[in-house]
Amino acid sequence: QVQLQESGPGLVQPSETLSLTCTVSGYSISSGDYWGWIRQPPGKGLEWIGNIYHDGNTYDNPSLKSRVTISVDTSNNQFSLKLGSVTAADTAVYYCARFTSSGWSEYWGQGTLVTVSS
Amino acid sequence: EIVLTQSPATLSVSPGERVTLSCRASQSFSSNLAWYQQKPGQAPRLLINRASTRATGIPARFSGSGSGTEFTLTISSLQSEDFAVYYCQQYNDWPYTFGQGTKLEIK
Repeated sequence: QVQLQESGPGLVQPSETLSLTCTVSGYSISSGDYWGWIRQPPGKGLEWIGNIYHDGNTYDNPSLKSRVTISVDTSNNQFSLKLGSVTAADTAVYYCARFTSSGWSEYWGQGTLVTVSS
Repeated sequence: EIVLTQSPATLSVSPGERVTLSCRASQSFSSNLAWYQQKPGQAPRLLINRASTRATGIPARFSGSGSGTEFTLTISSLQSEDFAVYYCQQYNDWPYTFGQGTKLEIK
């Protein structure tokens, strides 16, 4: 059974870098598929942030203006998100998910709320 | 970027009713569309992929259809557990995008 779990600070200072890690169990990241991040501001809809393939190829949302870095650590079966220069607008629940090579996601983490505030 | 517009934003319905949710795309594509259900405090749950294929374990009352710029999700007979927010997602092109959601509420 595939499970994903986000971890990281729940509070980030404005202008700093948000860092989250997703730990995958029940499936090896090296086996394939895409691994991605989605966020949801409080009371709002879903926004795709970016995906990474097990070989390290990444795709991210241009709306985030190159602030995103996604990396993979196959030895620990984890992948990570860094979002730089955060503002209050980056306050959201952040989800990690497994995307099929076709593009939909059947497995999601439970989500973690990150608040940007001083 | 492909913009997805869902309508209506909110739908008030009674259990047992049949409902159809719409997802309109700003550009035409074939069937690279998924539907998700989200309940408060939970992660989204995949319902439909490839526009019309039910995901594993999804009841037959959920069906998807469409291609081009018009896609629909139909729930044939609403159950109490179906009251939630529904999102469409396109994966035809990067960046992946979601619609803004349709909330089903109890009338």
